[in-house]
Amino acid sequence: QVQLVESGGGVVQPGRSLRLSCAGSGFTFSSHGMHWVRQAPGKGLEWVAVISYDEINKYYADSVKGRFTISRDNSKNTLYLQMNSLRAEDTAVYYCAKDRHLLSAVDYWGQGTLVTVSS
Amino acid sequence: DIQMTQSPSSVSASVGDRVTITCRASQGISSWLAWYQQKPGKPPKLLIYAASSLQSGVPSRFSGSGSGTDFTLTISSLQPEDFATYYCQQASSFPFTFGPGTKLNIK
Repeated sequence: QVQLVESGGGVVQPGRSLRLSCAGSGFTFSSHGMHWVRQAPGKGLEWVAVISYDEINKYYADSVKGRFTISRDNSKNTLYLQMNSLRAEDTAVYYCAKDRHLLSAVDYWGQGTLVTVSS
Repeated sequence: DIQMTQSPSSVSASVGDRVTITCRASQGISSWLAWYQQKPGKPPKLLIYAASSLQSGVPSRFSGSGSGTDFTLTISSLQPEDFATYYCQQASSFPFTFGPGTKLNIK
């Protein structure tokens, strides 16, 4: 069965950096686009970024463009999110998610990792 | 960016009721719309993709319709496990965007 396991969350000061990882299994990781979606405490879902299966295409939410970088290592079945210049408003649970087909809907989600940006 | 709105923001209903949730896009998105269900403390679950296609394993009481700018999610006969928050998401153009959510409460 599909499993997505995020790691790397924690408490970080404003302006600092953090890198999230997501290990995928139970599917052909190298054949699917992958997304990051976040959810601030008590709030709705916010799409963050997507990367195509071959890393050629990457797209970002306006709120993170220029600060966050999505990448993947298909040899390790792992997705990454490098987050720089973190702000308090980046505090959220970050979900790694598998694209269903052609960079559209998300059909599987990880359990999420909490990032707290606070001094 | 495409803005997504949902109505109502919350609704109270009883087991067995039929419930409809509406999602509207700020511009046409063809059928590039998905619906998700989220329960507290859990990740979302895909219910519907391409506006009206039922995701594998999702009960047939869930259905989606619409195209262009106006979409609906219908639950034909509410079950106790359906009380949750529902989100729509457009996948027509980047950045993808979610609606603000509709909380379905037990009456």
